Amino acid sequence: QVQLKESGPGLVKPSETLSLTCTVSGGSSISSAYYWGWIRQPPGKGLECIGSIYFSGSTFYNPSLKSRVTISIDMSKNQFSLKLSSVTAADTAVYYCARSEAAGSPYFGSWGHGMLVTVAS
Amino acid sequence: SYVLTQPPSVSVAPGQTARITCGGNNFGSKSVHWYQQKPGQAPVLVVYDDNDRPSGIPERFSGSNSGNTATLTISRVEAGDEADYYCQVWDSSSDLPWVFGGGTKLTVL
Repeated sequence: QVQLKESGPGLVKPSETLSLTCTVSGGSSISSAYYWGWIRQPPGKGLECIGSIYFSGSTFYNPSLKSRVTISIDMSKNQFSLKLSSVTAADTAVYYCARSEAAGSPYFGSWGHGMLVTVAS
Repeated sequence: SYVLTQPPSVSVAPGQTARITCGGNNFGSKSVHWYQQKPGQAPVLVVYDDNDRPSGIPERFSGSNSGNTATLTISRVEAGDEADYYCQVWDSSSDLPWVFGGGTKLTVL
């Protein structure tokens, strides 16, 4: 059973860069044919997909965040990462990492527990 | 970009059937997936590809997709089913193909 766990600072100052890492375990290799994604949820609001990366390194980004987002993959550590630059209070949210099937109509079948990141000075 | 529309809330008495809808254009050509999210927890996939259930999801959860509307049906609703429910599709024409609906709060009366 694949397990995903988010890690990183829970508090980021405005204008700085939010950096999170998702560690994949439980027998699933990040080099397998899946998409690895980041989804966030502002307090009291719905789910927003930030972007995803395929095991080959190709990426999809939310157009509204594209200029500030980088998702990368580290196969040696079985991890993938999110960087979101120039953050504001509007980026305060619970950030989830998740694994998506790649074939057919992809969906996120496995999720991390989520991590609250607060943007404040 | 592709838009999915869900009602903000649905209420149902225990033991009854809850139906949560998700609307979008040309739905017939897309597979719809459904997630359950309880307070303070990560979303959990409850239905994928319109009407398939992951292992461990009760048979009380089922889905359908016809025309421009997909429906998540929860039979014999229990108090533990109270949660937010999100639909999602893969829209290959979108820059970010995973598209989520706005979510529906299911209240068990």
